Amino acid sequence: ELKVEQNPLFLSMQEGKNYTIYCNYSTTSDRLYWYRQDPGKSLESLFVLLSNGAVKQEGRLMASLDTKARLSTLHITAAVHDLSATYFCAVDGNRDDKIIFGKGTRLHILP
Amino acid sequence: DGGITQSPKYLFRKEGQNVTLSCEQNLNHDAMYWYRQDPGQGLRLIYYSQIVNDFQKGDIAEGYSVSREKKESFPLTVTSAQKNPTAFYLCASSFSPQWTQYFGPGTRLTVL
Repeated sequence: ELKVEQNPLFLSMQEGKNYTIYCNYSTTSDRLYWYRQDPGKSLESLFVLLSNGAVKQEGRLMASLDTKARLSTLHITAAVHDLSATYFCAVDGNRDDKIIFGKGTRLHILP
Repeated sequence: DGGITQSPKYLFRKEGQNVTLSCEQNLNHDAMYWYRQDPGQGLRLIYYSQIVNDFQKGDIAEGYSVSREKKESFPLTVTSAQKNPTAFYLCASSFSPQWTQYFGPGTRLTVL
């Protein structure tokens, strides 16, 4: 059974600092997704990572995938308050038609 | 504009009542999904459908039912058998199961 673990689950950081959120998963997968959720809102797709070594960047966020280590990272560069949200990773289970979500990382950026 | 709509935004249910949550998409997506989110938690899959007139149970299907009579629509019924239905319900769709899922705005259900 595919398990997806994110850490940390909660992160409070100062504006201008860099930090990384980690997403580990337990079985082989070729696709990994990152989503953002603002409080009380729905999920917004950020990145889709489709192969080992894939790296995608949008503004201050950069996501990468290491399929051999079963690890994805979401790196935040020079954080700004607007990036405060909950970030979810989700992994394609391969054998069925479902994706499994991590519990999310709640990011709070202090001005 | 293309997108996914859910209604209502807020829903209140009395004990013992069935309620139906609407999900409509005009993205021409084949696959549709229902998730439940509890406070501070991730998403748990309730039901999903890859094609019209076909659907599969997810991880927490007990107490819920769905139908997929049209490609655009995937309504979710929360039955009285669901003992703890208070949650945020999210509908999503994708071109196919392996493609990115796009989410609707959600319905917040509260049991009185």
